[in-house]
Amino acid sequence: DTGVSQNPRHKITKRGQNVTFRCDPISEHNRLYWYRQTLGQGPEFLTYFQNEAQLEKSRLLSDRFSAERPKGSFSTLEIQRTEQGDSAMYLCASSLGGLGADTQYFGPGTRLTVL
Amino acid sequence: GDSVTQMEGPVTLSEEAFLTINCTYTATGYPSLFWYVQYPGEGLQLLLKATKADDKGSNKGFEATYRKETTSFHLEKGSVQVSDSAVYFCALVSGSARQLTFGSGTQLTVLP
Repeated sequence: DTGVSQNPRHKITKRGQNVTFRCDPISEHNRLYWYRQTLGQGPEFLTYFQNEAQLEKSRLLSDRFSAERPKGSFSTLEIQRTEQGDSAMYLCASSLGGLGADTQYFGPGTRLTVL
Repeated sequence: GDSVTQMEGPVTLSEEAFLTINCTYTATGYPSLFWYVQYPGEGLQLLLKATKADDKGSNKGFEATYRKETTSFHLEKGSVQVSDSAVYFCALVSGSARQLTFGSGTQLTVLP
């Protein structure tokens, strides 16, 4: 069990640029989640996949954000035309799936700074 | 909508002191409740959980009891250590939702 990994760990970009983050879940985990965490706050849900299907998106996920999970394995989160308000820690989590609320395991996060 | 309210921090204690971090929630139905911990420079880790009323979750000396009547899930530890210094998050999953709803976190510092 290698845990959830995220790349890059840090990203600094200029306003207006596009960025893409990658998340590799724990193998055999069917569910994958993206959250955003700003300083001093708890994580906020962005979106969730069951295998390759994106089943739910938060209203926080504006049109500039897009997430994919091709083949139900790794996932990418892209932010287009970044804004300073996008600066945050982006967290990925995965879980086994099944009935009820199963345990989510988090990666170390990608810290985005938009200048 | 669902929400989680945690006691505001930061909390500073001396080693071996008793710890309580309050957590109350608002949710539809019967949520599952969680405490996550974030150590400096590390990712979120599950500390403990409870899935139904009166369940007690426990791990590493920490405990929390799911109290439906008071909609609470307070975190306790009888004797804290310096290594417990971290940010603690209370969270829930309710109904058919799969995502976690988090509180704002409580920073704990334990002094030797």
